[in-house]
Amino acid sequence: GNSVTQMEGPVTLSEEAFLTINCTYTATGYPSLFWYVQYPGEGLQLLLKATKADDKGSNKGFEATYRKETTSFHLEKGSVQVSDSAVYFCALLTSGTYKYIFGTGTRLKVLA
Amino acid sequence: KAGVTQTPRYLIKTRGQQVTLSCSPISGHRSVSWYQQTPGQGLQFLFEYFSETQRNKGNFPGRFSGRQFSNSRSEMNVSTLELGDSALYLCASSLRGPRDTDTQYFGPGTRLTVL
Repeated sequence: GNSVTQMEGPVTLSEEAFLTINCTYTATGYPSLFWYVQYPGEGLQLLLKATKADDKGSNKGFEATYRKETTSFHLEKGSVQVSDSAVYFCALLTSGTYKYIFGTGTRLKVLA
Repeated sequence: KAGVTQTPRYLIKTRGQQVTLSCSPISGHRSVSWYQQTPGQGLQFLFEYFSETQRNKGNFPGRFSGRQFSNSRSEMNVSTLELGDSALYLCASSLRGPRDTDTQYFGPGTRLTVL
């Protein structure tokens, strides 16, 4: 079946460090891929998305590239800020089922 | 434009009771999806409603049900509550729903605690 695997957290970084959160997926067909972010006490917000292979999604300094050959969609940011502290979710959507499948989330903590 | 609102924000119930959660989507959005979020399982899809019809369903028992009204507001009902139903229940709305890869906008959630 379809699934998303994210790296376990928590991830603790110092401000201005480089961030990578790994995400790999298993899916039939050609899914769309997403990163969502959840700040404390809030619902999820779409951070970025990519709908086909080699697409790069980007927003607020975050980037992720849809790699079909490695079935991955790793999230990166060159210089994190304390305000980036949140839980990040990788997700996929397949055209067959029209259901979003989410990873279990990775908590990021950025220290000043 | 007002965001997705969910009421109540917090609920405490006992085993065997039933509960109804409410979600008001962003104005103009016709698709409402519900998710259960728990520390162990992450986010799991419950169901999606579009124009008052359930269009998609996850793998949850029949104790979980929902409906959508003509103004797109949606309710979710859980009957015969179990301890394992304790979770954050999130609602998300979009213009046309997952079939068009629309952006989902999430509400803040209802935290349900079952004692």
